[in-house]
Amino acid sequence: DAGVTQSPTHLIKTRGQQVTLRCSPKSGHDTVSWYQQALGQGPQFIFQYYEEEERQRGNFPDRFSGHQFPNYSSELNVNALLLGDSALYLCASSWVDRLPGNYGYTFGSGTRLTVV
Amino acid sequence: DQQVKQNSPSLSVQEGRISILNCDYTNSMFDYFLWYKKYPAEGPTFLISISSIKDKNEDGRFTVFLNKSAKHLSLHIVPSQPGDSAVYFCAASGNYGGSQGNLIFGKGTKLSVKP
Repeated sequence: DAGVTQSPTHLIKTRGQQVTLRCSPKSGHDTVSWYQQALGQGPQFIFQYYEEEERQRGNFPDRFSGHQFPNYSSELNVNALLLGDSALYLCASSWVDRLPGNYGYTFGSGTRLTVV
Repeated sequence: DQQVKQNSPSLSVQEGRISILNCDYTNSMFDYFLWYKKYPAEGPTFLISISSIKDKNEDGRFTVFLNKSAKHLSLHIVPSQPGDSAVYFCAASGNYGGSQGNLIFGKGTKLSVKP
């Protein structure tokens, strides 16, 4: 059973450029969340998608946008890249479950983005 | 302002002994807490969780303790093994308005278990 798949694994971009990162959720999962992990920090929540809509958003600027497709896969887009956007970008999939304590997050291995 | 704090960036223990990793939180709305383990070049892997209605949850060598009054949780690993060497993240979440909440992570504690 494939887990969460992210592509590409590594990426180098120039400041000012735009980037698209991709995520395929674990089979059976319908919700995708994106996190940014800077060096020496814990993952920080960017946003979450369910039923092709953004449900929640963390404290990230509008340069960060996303999309979810009917097959539940998702993309994270970052425009006008800054040096500070260099980080590991993690995708986590889960299922919508309204019982507290049953989140079932599964993380992918991440995409390492370097902005030069 | 960090809502989830792991004040020890690193911890070194001897194989076979107990490892205790600590985590403090500030938001009383959090109702679910998780521990993740992360190896280099891999995503975080779920280890163990605890609901705010409990004060202890055990899974094999791993036990998580929750002290709600102190807003503190800890992860105990007994006995520690060299393969446990990794970065451990504490995370918290709240069931906001009936929908699945996002996770708030601490900065992590790097555990080294020496043979």
